[in-house]
Amino acid sequence: KAGVTQTPRYLIKTRGQQVTLSCSPISGHRSVSWYQQTPGQGLQFLFEYFSETQRNKGNFPGRFSGRQFSNSRSEMNVSTLELGDSALYLCASRSVPGKGTDTQYFGPGTRLTVL
Amino acid sequence: AQSVTQLDSQVPVFEEAPVELRCNYSSSVSVYLFWYVQYPNQGLQLLLKYLSGSTLVKGINGFEAEFNKSQTSFHLRKPSVHISDTAEYFCAVSESETSGSRLTFGEGTQLTVNP
Repeated sequence: KAGVTQTPRYLIKTRGQQVTLSCSPISGHRSVSWYQQTPGQGLQFLFEYFSETQRNKGNFPGRFSGRQFSNSRSEMNVSTLELGDSALYLCASRSVPGKGTDTQYFGPGTRLTVL
Repeated sequence: AQSVTQLDSQVPVFEEAPVELRCNYSSSVSVYLFWYVQYPNQGLQLLLKYLSGSTLVKGINGFEAEFNKSQTSFHLRKPSVHISDTAEYFCAVSESETSGSRLTFGEGTQLTVNP
């Protein structure tokens, strides 16, 4: 079974631009979560989607948004990029939400650099 | 709200020596506890998790962890490390079934195994 895939793996943007990152969960998994990883702030939860609905949201500004499609694939978008948005963005999938016992499987991440 | 503290940011050890990576958490409710490993330029891989039951949890690659409720700790141990164990290790908690996928991570511990 294929793992979580994220595209693109690397991305370079300039301040003020917007960016869209994509995540395909493990086949059969219906919940997708996004995390931001930076040297200064560590790993922080962005949001979780299930059945095309946002179930949970972290403490990030409205410039960060996401969506989920009917096939469970998810995208996250960051508008008006700032230098501080440079980070590794990780996507994780699990079979169903609302069960803390369920293992989350992480993708390799998208490395975003904002110049 | 929960929080996680990893007590050592860097742990250097020699090959075949034992190692312990320390993790303390804070939460007002019951938690699920996890250890993840991240190799360079990769996503997170689950090493082990504590959900309930036996406080000694065995994971992959010879790692184990012990849940201590009174000390609110979940330390990771391995009796004999290999060069290939060099990586960053993250302790994480999720509060309950209702928190869904939201993991709160510690700052990470860089384990470096020297020959």
